Amino acid sequence: DGGITQSPKYLFRKEGQNVTLSCEQNLNHDAMYWYRQDPGQGLRLIYYSQIVNDFQKGDIAEGYSVSREKKESFPLTVTSAQKNPTAFYLCASSIASGNEQFFGPGTRLTVL
Amino acid sequence: GNSVTQMEGPVTLSEEAFLTINCTYTATGYPSLFWYVQYPGEGLQLLLKATKADDKGSNKGFEATYRKETTSFHLEKGSVQVSDSAVYFCALSDGNTGGFKTIFGAGTRLFVKA
Repeated sequence: DGGITQSPKYLFRKEGQNVTLSCEQNLNHDAMYWYRQDPGQGLRLIYYSQIVNDFQKGDIAEGYSVSREKKESFPLTVTSAQKNPTAFYLCASSIASGNEQFFGPGTRLTVL
Repeated sequence: GNSVTQMEGPVTLSEEAFLTINCTYTATGYPSLFWYVQYPGEGLQLLLKATKADDKGSNKGFEATYRKETTSFHLEKGSVQVSDSAVYFCALSDGNTGGFKTIFGAGTRLFVKA
C-alpha cells in the first residue's frame, strides 16, 4: 500500500539535544512538507521541498533543519536552537506543489 | 496575502443533526479549495476538494460548494454520526500566482453526541 510513514510516533528529548524525525513516502510524490501543530491550533509550515536536493524555509523554520537527498525521504532535525520544540509534527507530500496533500500519522515530540 | 478563516469551535451536535462549518477565504488568484479532517492523534486526511468556481466537492455525505462571489467554501452534512467527531480544516492552494504553499484555517473541532 502506498502512503507516508513517520517514525517514531512518540519521542522524548532532553533540553539541549538535537533530534531527527523520519518521514518516508512511496507515493512517488515530488513535493514534501513539514508542519508543526500545537494543541488546539492549526498547522504551521516549517520547511517544504519541491524536488530532490532542494528545499525552502516555511513560516517557522528557525531552530529546524531538513535534507532531501532522496525523493522518498525528508527528515526533519529539531535542533537545540528551537526554544519551544514540544509539539505534534506532521509530514505531508503531494504530486506537486499546490495539489492535495497526503499526511503521515505524525510524531509527538516532548522535551523533558 | 492569501488567508482562510473558519468558524471557531467547538461545535457540539446530537447524532443525526445537520452540520455546517463556515469557511471564507481571501486569495489574489484562482485557488483550489480543500477540506481536511483530523481524527484524534492522527494526521490529516483529505475529505473533499473543489478546483474552480461553482464546483461541488463531496465525500462520505459531506459537501462543499466553491462560491467565488462570496469567497466561501462551507462544509455541510445532512445527518452527522458520532464517528464524525474530529477536527475539520479548510484550506486553499493558489497555484495561479505561483503559490506553492497550502494555507490552512485554524480548524474547527466537532463533537457529536449519541
